[in-house]
Amino acid sequence: GAVVSQHPSWVICKSGTSVKIECRSLDFQATTMFWYRQFPKQSLMLMATSNEGSKATYEQGVEKDKFLINHASLTLSTLTVTSAHPEDSSFYICSAGMRESPLHFGNGTRLTVT
Amino acid sequence: DAKTTQPPSMDCAEGRAANLPCNHSTISGNEYVYWYRQIHSQGPQYIIHGLKNNETNEMASLIITEDRKSSTLILPHATLRDTAVYYCIALNQGGKLIFGQGTELSVKP
Repeated sequence: GAVVSQHPSWVICKSGTSVKIECRSLDFQATTMFWYRQFPKQSLMLMATSNEGSKATYEQGVEKDKFLINHASLTLSTLTVTSAHPEDSSFYICSAGMRESPLHFGNGTRLTVT
Repeated sequence: DAKTTQPPSMDCAEGRAANLPCNHSTISGNEYVYWYRQIHSQGPQYIIHGLKNNETNEMASLIITEDRKSSTLILPHATLRDTAVYYCIALNQGGKLIFGQGTELSVKP
């Protein structure tokens, strides 16, 4: 149980375009999902907390207008990287869990902006 | 959430036990110790967690000292597929998982 699916697993886009990444909890309902970013040879950095039916909470230094998060249902959260630039190229990972249970992670999305 | 300290890297021979230490001297009474690992280019994988008592599951054992200031993750028979970065995190239930640098475990044949 507790499977988190992320789509796409990789994406290449041109500078200035927007990219949407989906995170789904397949066999449970997640009231909270988390979005992380990871640069090469670095640890995961928490970007934001996504709450179903309400606005996301962003960590300090993360631009909310650039990284749009929508948590429209208990099984789906999306992260849209708007007006992507090469410095946004990174590995984006989501996680989800139920109350009092460990968080489980998707397999990540490798974004390359050319 | 309490800060944790782990060695940056460790080696282990295939088939032997891998013992990964973690210090969390400022952990509070209601913070759990969680262990995750990340195999290259994948999302982190949950391994085990505990509060006070030692825990064991199909993946590993977690030994927490009586004063809760440190813990050890034990992989009883390491295989090459256990090569990964292992993260020890202290947090409250429902809290945010904040990752440190972890320990890069290399299992060698």
